[in-house]
Amino acid sequence: DGGITQSPKYLFRKEGQNVTLSCEQNLNHDAMYWYRQDPGQGLRLIYYSQIVNDFQKGDIAEGYSVSREKKESFPLTVTSAQKNPTAFYLCASSIERNEKLFFGSGTQLSVL
Amino acid sequence: GQNIDQPTEMTATEGAIVQINCTYQTSGFNGLFWYQQHAGEAPTFLSYNVLDGLEEKGRFSSFLSRSKGYSYLLLKELQMKDSASYLCAVRVGDSNYQLIWGAGTKLIIKP
Repeated sequence: DGGITQSPKYLFRKEGQNVTLSCEQNLNHDAMYWYRQDPGQGLRLIYYSQIVNDFQKGDIAEGYSVSREKKESFPLTVTSAQKNPTAFYLCASSIERNEKLFFGSGTQLSVL
Repeated sequence: GQNIDQPTEMTATEGAIVQINCTYQTSGFNGLFWYQQHAGEAPTFLSYNVLDGLEEKGRFSSFLSRSKGYSYLLLKELQMKDSASYLCAVRVGDSNYQLIWGAGTKLIIKP
């Protein structure tokens, strides 16, 4: 079955450490997105990519980085510059930039 | 500014009907989405409205009034598995990177 796979489900970051969240899709979707979900807040867009080898900053890109070297993969790195990284991170994709989103099951990142 | 309001939490009884409201004040409007999210899981698409009126899909219906900046999601014949958060999102441009999300409504179903 097609879908989006995020790993790991839970991740712990130590002070000063960079961590990478994986997102893989086999839906053949061009567009991919990273969102951050905090309690009591709406989803906030971190980065998005509409095509391979191209990506754009979202509303809260500071302290994060991404790459899009393959259509299927859109990993997110949370750098040590992100001072408040504890959140639930959701990866999504859409077949085109204005079609409904398909989401992965998320990664809960916590700070040790 | 851009703002979407939803009730934080609602409680309903199994077998009953519940209406979850979403009001928005945004600088543009190009469609409204509803997603369902069970705790710790992926949001899944429920409905999309871009024109005024009611869209019915099985037990779920969604309504939009653009002039009032208002939408609701109506869930009928509630089941325990409907316990989840319901997210309202407004697209303010022609692309998904221009989505504004509400904080979600946590729906609790009681037997």
